[in-house]
Amino acid sequence: AQTVTQSQPEMSVQEAETVTLSCTYDTSENNYYLFWYKQPPSRQMILVIRQEAYKQQNATENRFSVNFQKAAKSFSLKISDSQLGDTAMYFCAFMKLGGGAQKLVFGQGTRLTINP
Amino acid sequence: DTGVSQNPRHKITKRGQNVTFRCDPISEHNRLYWYRQTLGQGPEFLTYFQNEAQLEKSRLLSDRFSAERPKGSFSTLEIQRTEQGDSAMYLCASSLATGGIGNQPQHFGDGTRLSIL
Repeated sequence: AQTVTQSQPEMSVQEAETVTLSCTYDTSENNYYLFWYKQPPSRQMILVIRQEAYKQQNATENRFSVNFQKAAKSFSLKISDSQLGDTAMYFCAFMKLGGGAQKLVFGQGTRLTINP
Repeated sequence: DTGVSQNPRHKITKRGQNVTFRCDPISEHNRLYWYRQTLGQGPEFLTYFQNEAQLEKSRLLSDRFSAERPKGSFSTLEIQRTEQGDSAMYLCASSLATGGIGNQPQHFGDGTRLSIL
């Protein structure tokens, strides 16, 4: 079974600063995706960024980028020039590819607060 | 794209009652998932449909839980004889399986928050 661990329950930074959220995972699979989802207070889960395991290049989406270290099974999220709207719970998630449900396995989440 | 819609947003009920939630996925999405999220935790997978077929169920889904997706469109999740431990946010997600190794990401609804008195 796959597990995802987020070791930072809460983080807080000032607006415009850069912040990095950590995620490690455990799997014996070789083909998988990794995701970061954002869940603002009382709002729906939104996909922030995803990484295919077979790609060595780290994914980027505007101010969001990842540092994917496959051998170390590490998948951190960097948010540059943080904004007040980035305040949310952030979940790291793993999805095995191939047959089956391709369900998401989530970490416990990191509560990120951006202060003005 | 109207997004994934879940109803009701909130449900408060007494222990022992039955409850039913509805999920309307994005119209062209053939895959539908149910997850449960307790306070301060990440969502946990409950069950999955490909079109109208329920193809996988988690061990978390006791025999008091049943899910359906008639005609491969909307889905319902029913909990019978609710217990205190059922209090949680129930999330629905949908995605489009395009075949091969890659698939579109899952899109989530706002969830139904269940509170058992």
